[in-house]
Amino acid sequence: GAVVSQHPSRVICKSGTSVKIECRSLDFQATTMFWYRQFPKKSLMLMATSNEGSKATYEQGVEKDKFLINHASLTLSTLTVTSAHPEDSSFYICSAKGGGYSNQPQHFGDGTRLSIL
Amino acid sequence: AQKVTQAQTEISVVEKEDVTLDCVYETRDTTYYLFWYKQPPSGELVFLIRRNSFDEQNEISGRYSWNFQKSTSSFNFTITASQVVDSAVYFCALSGGANFGNEKLTFGTGTRLTIIP
Repeated sequence: GAVVSQHPSRVICKSGTSVKIECRSLDFQATTMFWYRQFPKKSLMLMATSNEGSKATYEQGVEKDKFLINHASLTLSTLTVTSAHPEDSSFYICSAKGGGYSNQPQHFGDGTRLSIL
Repeated sequence: AQKVTQAQTEISVVEKEDVTLDCVYETRDTTYYLFWYKQPPSGELVFLIRRNSFDEQNEISGRYSWNFQKSTSSFNFTITASQVVDSAVYFCALSGGANFGNEKLTFGTGTRLTIIP
């Protein structure tokens, strides 16, 4: 079945570093991808909706300049956490859905665990 | 606004017991979709079921069953004869009716299920 690949699975880096997370749909064209954030033992909160070829739509309270999203192709969306700080440490997970009027449920990546020292 | 409530934060049962995870939702949409996901310790989200608001038939899949009661806005999940491998966090989620529910998801806070051997 459809697979969404997320890379890297784990990142540990120093404060001030920018970190890029990739979300790829491996066997289908994803016109829309969603980025979620999950704090430890908490629920998943939608950060933004990423549409191929256009600007992402951010949820209220999510800083656009902090979390840069690029969806340059139908199979790839990237989330860049700029100048990351310890409070950005979290589990980030993407999901992707196919184009058109697809009956297939959206598929989730395996997530990226980001730890900022 | 959409809201999903999972009142049970943590549940522990002894292996082979049955367990029901509760989910109550709120939405103004007349058409919507409900989901259950399993999140094992490794972090990935495992899709379990999607149900649209027009289909109130209960569903059974092996040891899993779901009870959708539109009158009480509930979509409960029962695991029969629980096994240690069922230990995970389970999320109930809600999406608007557009595109078979393949839009942004509103997640509940999750129920951490521990099966004691």
